[in-house]
Amino acid sequence: GQNIDQPTEMTATEGAIVQINCTYQTSGFNGLFWYQQHAGEAPTFLSYNVLDGLEEKGRFSSFLSRSKGYSYLLLKELQMKDSASYLCASPGGSYIPTFGRGTSLIVHP
Amino acid sequence: NAGVTQTPKFRILKIGQSMTLQCAQDMNHNYMYWYRQDPGMGLKLIYYSVGAGITDKGEVPNGYNVSRSTTEDFPLRLELAAPSQTSVYFCASSWSPLNTEAFFGQGTRLTVV
Repeated sequence: GQNIDQPTEMTATEGAIVQINCTYQTSGFNGLFWYQQHAGEAPTFLSYNVLDGLEEKGRFSSFLSRSKGYSYLLLKELQMKDSASYLCASPGGSYIPTFGRGTSLIVHP
Repeated sequence: NAGVTQTPKFRILKIGQSMTLQCAQDMNHNYMYWYRQDPGMGLKLIYYSVGAGITDKGEVPNGYNVSRSTTEDFPLRLELAAPSQTSVYFCASSWSPLNTEAFFGQGTRLTVV
């Protein structure tokens, strides 16, 4: 499967902007997903990128650079409810998504 | 609209016992998946199915079995439970593994003692 790497934990202040990075192996690339997972809950879909560039959805944006094997999730105007784990995933063998370990984001007042 | 329904939500098993985790989806998705998630870790694929009657192993299939007799149901069977199978199990479904979101069940928290 894909080798997905993302930071383990990040902290940020309410109202600020935070960028969560994800790197993956570029061979056999088939797109990149971001999911949000609150503690004790199921993951929910945030975004999917397959072409280079930035895609914006309200306060959340996702960026992809295929040549660099790099993506980031940008969260603006952080709210306390954004405290969650953010999972990066990319389809590997058989096109089934392989997930990274997730980045635990802690938003404090 | 139920989406993906998993049962049970919690279960404690003794070493050597067996159980089946149930998963059903009502979205007519072809693809269904079973993942396990250990503390501080991402999701690891156990088994997946591309349609009724077709299943395949994922990254960590040992100790598990699956079947897919209908489009809706994708049960996961644990035979001879071991402490290493203590984890949170998520079932998910999607139209396709590419460019479409996966919908996840609420998870089953399993403890093997």
